Amino acid sequence: GENVEQHPSTLSVQEGDSAVIKCTYSDSASNYFPWYKQELGKRPQLIIDIRSNVGEKKDQRIAVTLNKTAKHFSLHITETQPEDSAVYFCAALSGTYKYIFGTGTRLKVLA
Amino acid sequence: NAGVTQTPKFHILKTGQSMTLQCAQDMNHGYLSWYRQDPGMGLRRIHYSVAAGITDKGEVPDGYNVSRSNTEDFPLRLESAAPSQTSVYFCASSFPLELSYNEQFFGPGTRLTVL
Repeated sequence: GENVEQHPSTLSVQEGDSAVIKCTYSDSASNYFPWYKQELGKRPQLIIDIRSNVGEKKDQRIAVTLNKTAKHFSLHITETQPEDSAVYFCAALSGTYKYIFGTGTRLKVLA
Repeated sequence: NAGVTQTPKFHILKTGQSMTLQCAQDMNHGYLSWYRQDPGMGLRRIHYSVAAGITDKGEVPDGYNVSRSNTEDFPLRLESAAPSQTSVYFCASSFPLELSYNEQFFGPGTRLTVL
């Protein structure tokens, strides 16, 4: 079946450094790729998304890149801050209604 | 708009007891789904509904039932709870009925413990 692999499972960076989280999806028909941030005890919240007809999207310190040929997409956070510490999930929309989630990356930004 | 709401926030059940987790949305979304979140396993879909009166199984449906009698509500029923159902449950909605739109909005979650 369809799956999404996410790496790394944990990531520690110094404040001000960049963080990169990578995901690989299996269904070549996937056309929508959201990234969610989940703080401890809270709900997942969408931080950025990208559709399959776009290669890159940026929103201030956050960017997502998509390589459809390799079925890879990545989240890039620049100038990290302590409030960026959270668990990040990637997902791929497979078909009309099926969201497949990665297993999450726990990001720690060290002050 | 309240968005997606869930009740209760926390609950403890004994093995074999039944329980209904409530989910409601006021954004006129057609698509509603239930996920469970377990450590190291991400979010896994239990059941989903694309419109009132239509429900279908997700990837981990065993031990759960759902119903969708109207657009707003999507309750999740555990008929005979088992310790393996200890998890955090999230309801999510997307796809306004009149638009094609992909973003999912999550409820605040229900933390369920089965002893």
